[in-house]
Amino acid sequence: KAGVTQTPRYLIKTRGQQVTLSCSPISGHRSVSWYQQTPGQGLQFLFEYFSETQRNKGNFPGRFSGRQFSNSRSEMNVSTLELGDSALYLCASRGAGLYNEQFFGPGTRLTVL
Amino acid sequence: KNEVEQSPQNLTAQEGEFITINCSYSVGISALHWLQQHPGGGIVSLFMLSSGKKKHGRLIATINIQEKHSSLHITASHPRDSAVYICAVSYPQANDMRFGAGTRLTVKP
Repeated sequence: KAGVTQTPRYLIKTRGQQVTLSCSPISGHRSVSWYQQTPGQGLQFLFEYFSETQRNKGNFPGRFSGRQFSNSRSEMNVSTLELGDSALYLCASRGAGLYNEQFFGPGTRLTVL
Repeated sequence: KNEVEQSPQNLTAQEGEFITINCSYSVGISALHWLQQHPGGGIVSLFMLSSGKKKHGRLIATINIQEKHSSLHITASHPRDSAVYICAVSYPQANDMRFGAGTRLTVKP
């Protein structure tokens, strides 16, 4: 079974631009969560999608948004990029059941100049 | 104060040593997770536990619900164990995880 894949792996943008990151979960997994990791704040939860619905959201501004498609693939979008958005963005997928283990993708490293 | 506290922040060991990383949390949880992150960023889930003890190879994770404390032990450590180990918790009726700051482990040959 293929693991969680994320594209692109690396991205460089400038302030004010917007960016879209993609995550393909493990086949059969319907839950996709997104996380931001920075040296200063560590890992922080962004949001979770399940069956195309946002089920939970972390404490991030509205510039951060996401969606999930019927095939469970998910995208997250960051608009009006700021320097502080430079981070590793990780997604994780989970099988059915609230307490199932999450499987993480390799991450997308976003640099905002 | 972070909801999830890990110690130590950094740990250097000689190959073969027994290693313990500690994690404490402040409120009731549904599960506690131990994650491993190698340079380059990829995260691997090592354990998810809600009670007792789990073992996988040279890794052992324990949790004490009453004391709100968990430990990750590595027996016979090896340089390939060098990584950042992250403790995370998830809460009832919530689908997010809260993370500790991580413990950077370096095992020297």
